[in-house]
Formats: sequence, C-alpha cells, structure tokens
Amino acid sequence: RKEVEQDPGPFNVPEGATVAFNCTYSNSASQSFFWYRQDCRKEPKLLMSVYSSGNEDGRFTAQLNRASQYISLLIRDSKLSDSATYLCVVGMGGFKTIFGAGTRLFVKA
Amino acid sequence: SAVISQKPSRDICQRGTSLTIQCQVDSQVTMMFWYRQQPGQSLTLIATANQGSEATYESGFVIDKFPISRPNLTFSTLTVSNMSPEDSSIYLCSVSSEVTKNIQYFGAGTRLSVL
Repeated sequence: RKEVEQDPGPFNVPEGATVAFNCTYSNSASQSFFWYRQDCRKEPKLLMSVYSSGNEDGRFTAQLNRASQYISLLIRDSKLSDSATYLCVVGMGGFKTIFGAGTRLFVKA
Repeated sequence: SAVISQKPSRDICQRGTSLTIQCQVDSQVTMMFWYRQQPGQSLTLIATANQGSEATYESGFVIDKFPISRPNLTFSTLTVSNMSPEDSSIYLCSVSSEVTKNIQYFGAGTRLSVL
C-alpha cells in the first residue's frame, strides 16, 4: 500500500463547477499535511497547508480527518486557470515528506 | 519562500557522458532534495543532501550513478553519470529549512534528454 494515495483522475469539469479531491495516508504518526499544485511542465508549488480545524483560502478549502487518515481539497467556482495536477503531501516529522502521485484536473470552458 | 535557481534548464546529452545539475538558493537552508520526474508521472526522491555529511540515497539510487555535493548551506549539485536513454527525465531540486521543516520549495527543474 502506498504511503499517500490519491485518485489520479483526470477530473474534467466545466468552468464554475465545484470539485473535490481526496487523499488518504497510511501512517498514523504523520504530523503535517499540505496540498501542492503542479502546472504542466512546471515545478510543484505549495497551495496550502491543511489543519485539523479545516482552512480556507478564497475558493479553496482543505480538510483533515486524522481519525480516518483522510485529507480533502475542495475547489469552488472552478476557473480555467485551476487546470493542473494537485499533489497531496504528508510530513512525517523531521524533514521526511511524502508526495502523492497527484490528481489531474482539467477545467473546460 | 526561498528563491531557487536550477541550471541548466534543459540539455540533450550523448549516452555514456555525465551531466552536473546545479541548485542555488538565495538563503541558507537545512536540507536540499533531488527528485526525478517522468512527464505525467509522480515525483521520485533520489537523495537528501545535508550540508557537511554524505547524501542519503533512496532505494534504487546509488552514489556512483548520482553523486551529490553539498558544499554549503545554499548550494548543491547532482551529477547524472554514464548516462543512458533511461535517464531521460526531469530532475528537480527542492529545499527546506528548520522553520518550514516539511514544506519544500522547488527549483524549476532540468529537462534532460539522453540520445
């Protein structure tokens, strides 16, 4: 079983749609959680950190469920520019960080 | 976040040759990481470079093939040695600090093609 698992997609959604990505992690000792975004032919970039209380940044909402070892990212009112691969990332303590394989999103006009 | 310069941005090389990729950061960082990524595929960690000690390699990667230097807190190099077409990939460096710990910031990558 992979340490961080994501649905690879692709998700094809129209502009304005709401889309949700899920991620599960296997190690209950995981300490920190993030979503990264990677555009085509670009490097991964930090999108947002994920907290147990849930957090929101504009159209993006991230949730963490430690009991279920589950992380989610919700994108509301999708824009064409949201098209990218979204990586679920788990910090294990120290500097060890595990990147998920990513979920591809295509937003179409 | 740190500003990371990675050179070269791309190269085309002949099999059997070696290429050294440089990663320069605009501030001191604790850890530097080297990844490989095939187009459309996930990141694969090659090794972790801590200043003043030998790099730590992941399973399937060895120092003879991917020697790494980390001479100071702002610079690292990865060499891809005795290249074959299977080494064609995107190579990415990333950094993290004591403050950000598990947050990594990435360079723009080196796109390598081996003929």
